[in-house]
Amino acid sequence: QQQVKQSPQSLIVQKGGISIINCAYENTAFDYFPWYQQFPGKGPALLIAIRPDVSEKKEGRFTISFNKSAKQFSLHIMDSQPGDSATYFCAARIGLRAGNMLTFGGGTRLMVKP
Amino acid sequence: EAQVTQNPRYLITVTGKKLTVTCSQNMNHEYMSWYRQDPGLGLRQIYYSMNVEVTDKGDVPEGYKVSRKEKRNFPLILESPSPNQTSLYFCASASGRSNLGEQYFGPGTRLTVT
Repeated sequence: QQQVKQSPQSLIVQKGGISIINCAYENTAFDYFPWYQQFPGKGPALLIAIRPDVSEKKEGRFTISFNKSAKQFSLHIMDSQPGDSATYFCAARIGLRAGNMLTFGGGTRLMVKP
Repeated sequence: EAQVTQNPRYLITVTGKKLTVTCSQNMNHEYMSWYRQDPGLGLRQIYYSMNVEVTDKGDVPEGYKVSRKEKRNFPLILESPSPNQTSLYFCASASGRSNLGEQYFGPGTRLTVT
């Protein structure tokens, strides 16, 4: 079973709109929550990340909101642009445990229409 | 340029024919990992390595082998490929001095087993 559940699977947003992608987790041992962005034909690349002691982190147009009690976190893309069209993965890491350090959600394919 | 390279990028093979996908990084990273990406399932870890000669299983290791004889290289071996191993494979690396949440991914290898 997936330890990190991501929704929606696909998303279409008009240029200038807000894109919102949600993730939920069960394992309270997760201590680091990154988001990866993947363009077609490329490998994923780290976009933004947050630790659970912070409720929000903003970098430019990208914001992570984190709700520890609900075990949910989300990515908000403000003023979405066609260049943001990509697949987005949320992920979670378990402490300093070796190996399975990143557990990924199923991915969201975002399309921003001009 | 700091990068993770994979070869080949595309591979079509037949059931049972042994194959190797190579992975190399030039960032002197201690940690390397292999993932497979399947629609709706995100990225699932196959094997990882914390350093030379240190490897361990990830979430989906069945049917795969790895070795880490040099720090920069981490090949993925399929001794007897089967159609259910048709997937998009990514190699990733990370510095042992980082929190290992930021992983650098290669461009991917699309494997088809008929």
